[in-house]
Amino acid sequence: QVQLVESGGGVVQPGRSLRLSCAASGFTFSTYGVHWVRQAPGKGLEWVAVMSYDGSNKYHADSVKGRFTISRDNSKNTLYLQMNNLRAEDTAVYYCAKVETAYCSGGSCYGDYYYGMDVWGQGTTVTVSS
Amino acid sequence: QSVLTQPPSASGTPGQRVTISCSGSNSNIGSNYVYWYQQLPGTAPKLLIYRNNQRPSGVPDRFSGSKSGTSASLAISGLRSEDEADYYCATWDDSLSGQVFGGGTKLTVL
Repeated sequence: QVQLVESGGGVVQPGRSLRLSCAASGFTFSTYGVHWVRQAPGKGLEWVAVMSYDGSNKYHADSVKGRFTISRDNSKNTLYLQMNNLRAEDTAVYYCAKVETAYCSGGSCYGDYYYGMDVWGQGTTVTVSS
Repeated sequence: QSVLTQPPSASGTPGQRVTISCSGSNSNIGSNYVYWYQQLPGTAPKLLIYRNNQRPSGVPDRFSGSKSGTSASLAISGLRSEDEADYYCATWDDSLSGQVFGGGTKLTVL
């Protein structure tokens, strides 16, 4: 079945860096866009970043632009989020989520980055504290 | 302040029908599909409605979605205690070039 497993969270001091990973299985990772979404304690969902299936398009929320970078390695079926210069307000559970199937063509199915998410991982917790 | 506006709370008694609204603008709801997610306490969000009004397999037909102009709504009929959760609407925003979420609505089953 389709599965996303995040890892790499932990406790980090302000100003330090952390890299999150999202391992995908059960679907053709290389044909789907993937998002990062976070949720601060007791707060709602906040979109962080998205990357298209081939890596040609990527977008970041203003709140993380210039500090966080989304990337992917389709050969490893893995999505990454490099987080630099972390702040206390970055403390949250970070989820990766796969884009839903937008269309199928030539025997393959694709999910464009501007579509919504259909499958979410269980999340990894990042705590930024001195 | 969220780009999409949802009521912070909603409530109903078992068997009732409740509706949760989601208001946006031309750059988001007005030009893109709306998605609804259910988040039970301590768990990851789960897709409830996609492309405005489509239900994934396994989601009961008690849940339905609709969209008109720059607003969307989620309706839950035959309310059950297990529907008590947080509900979020989401869509792509062409102006922001990013996904946007509503602030979430906490549904209480009285």
